[in-house]
Amino acid sequence: DAGVTQSPTHLIKTRGQQVTLRCSPKSGHDTVSWYQQALGQGPQFIFQYYEEEERQRGNFPDRFSGHQFPNYSSELNVNALLLGDSALYLCASSSSTGAGNTIYFGEGSWLTVV
Amino acid sequence: GENVEQHPSTLSVQEGDSAVIKCTYSDSASNYFPWYKQELGKGPQLIIDIRSNVGEKKDQRIAVTLNKTAKHFSLHITETQPEDSAVYFCALGDYKLSFGAGTTVTVRA
Repeated sequence: DAGVTQSPTHLIKTRGQQVTLRCSPKSGHDTVSWYQQALGQGPQFIFQYYEEEERQRGNFPDRFSGHQFPNYSSELNVNALLLGDSALYLCASSSSTGAGNTIYFGEGSWLTVV
Repeated sequence: GENVEQHPSTLSVQEGDSAVIKCTYSDSASNYFPWYKQELGKGPQLIIDIRSNVGEKKDQRIAVTLNKTAKHFSLHITETQPEDSAVYFCALGDYKLSFGAGTTVTVRA
């Protein structure tokens, strides 16, 4: 049973560019959330997708957008990259059904903006 | 998001001793309180979680206690081992998690 998988694992982008990160949820999960983790800090919630729609959003600008596909996988897009966007981007998945909503994280995508 | 305070920020223990990390939170309707372990260069790994209708939960050397009245919950690791060295995060929420700032645990051999 594969857990949450993310790609790419590492990438370097130039300020002003755009980036797309990808996530496949844990088998049986239909809800995907994205988090940003700066060095030395706890993860910060960006947004959550369920039934291909953004359900909740944290305090992040519109440069951050996402998408969820019919197979529940998801993408995070960040436009007009800033140096401050350098961070570990984490995908988390959970199930909307069953007993409780245990949340699992992937290994993350390390983004460096230069 | 929810304000979560986690203490201590660093914790050094002798192998075999216990480690305790505490988190407090402000007014919240959260029902889900997970703890994650994060090793260097990796994503957060769920180690134990507790729901608001339960006061304590144990899984081998790890236990979590929850006091919703006092708004705090704690992680207890007994018989610590060198492989327990990592950063530990408390979190709370339902579908959206708010995290503490993390505790760096070092187990001295």
